[in-house]
Amino acid sequence: KQEVTQIPAALSVPEGENLVLNCSFTDSAIYNLQWFRQDPGKGLTSLLLIQSSQREQTSGRLNASLDKSSGRSTLYIAASQPGDSATYLCAVSKGGSEKLVFGKGTKLTVNP
Amino acid sequence: DAGVIQSPRHEVTEMGQEVTLRCKPISGHNSLFWYRQTMMRGLELLIYFNNNVPIDDSGMPEDRFSAKMPNASFSTLKIQPSEPRDSAVYFCASGLSVLAPEPYEQYFGPGTRLTVT
Repeated sequence: KQEVTQIPAALSVPEGENLVLNCSFTDSAIYNLQWFRQDPGKGLTSLLLIQSSQREQTSGRLNASLDKSSGRSTLYIAASQPGDSATYLCAVSKGGSEKLVFGKGTKLTVNP
Repeated sequence: DAGVIQSPRHEVTEMGQEVTLRCKPISGHNSLFWYRQTMMRGLELLIYFNNNVPIDDSGMPEDRFSAKMPNASFSTLKIQPSEPRDSAVYFCASGLSVLAPEPYEQYFGPGTRLTVT
């Protein structure tokens, strides 16, 4: 059974700092990995999707990397801003399935 | 587009009552997902539909839960009878699957916060 773990559960940083969020998964036979953002009381917003054949994806200040063999992904946020404060979740899917298995997320607080 | 619409946004009910959650996916999307989020278990997929057909309901906790998608623009998740342990935020998401199994983005609704007392 696929399990997704995100460490740390919470992170507080000063504005402007570069930071890394971690995601690990137990079954390396994944089809894709996605990073989502969740704001309090709201649904999830997809940030980046990495297919299993890819090593990384970039969008603006965000960069996500994927190492299937080690079962790890990182989300790098450059020059963090207070507006980045949210919970970040990673999710993986198995080949041929649209089912996403989510981690419990990392709650990020960026202090002005 | 208005995005995925869920109703109600909040529901408080007593144990034993029937609860119906509603979802309107984004127009043109052909996949629909129901998720449940709790502090203990995180976000879990309950069931998903493709072209209005249930594809995988292995995440539905028990027979008290049922989901329907009578047409491409509407889905319901029903709990009967409800129990306090069903208290959670229930999310609906939709997406456009064009070339399975190519991955595609899921768009989430704002969720329904259910409290069963």
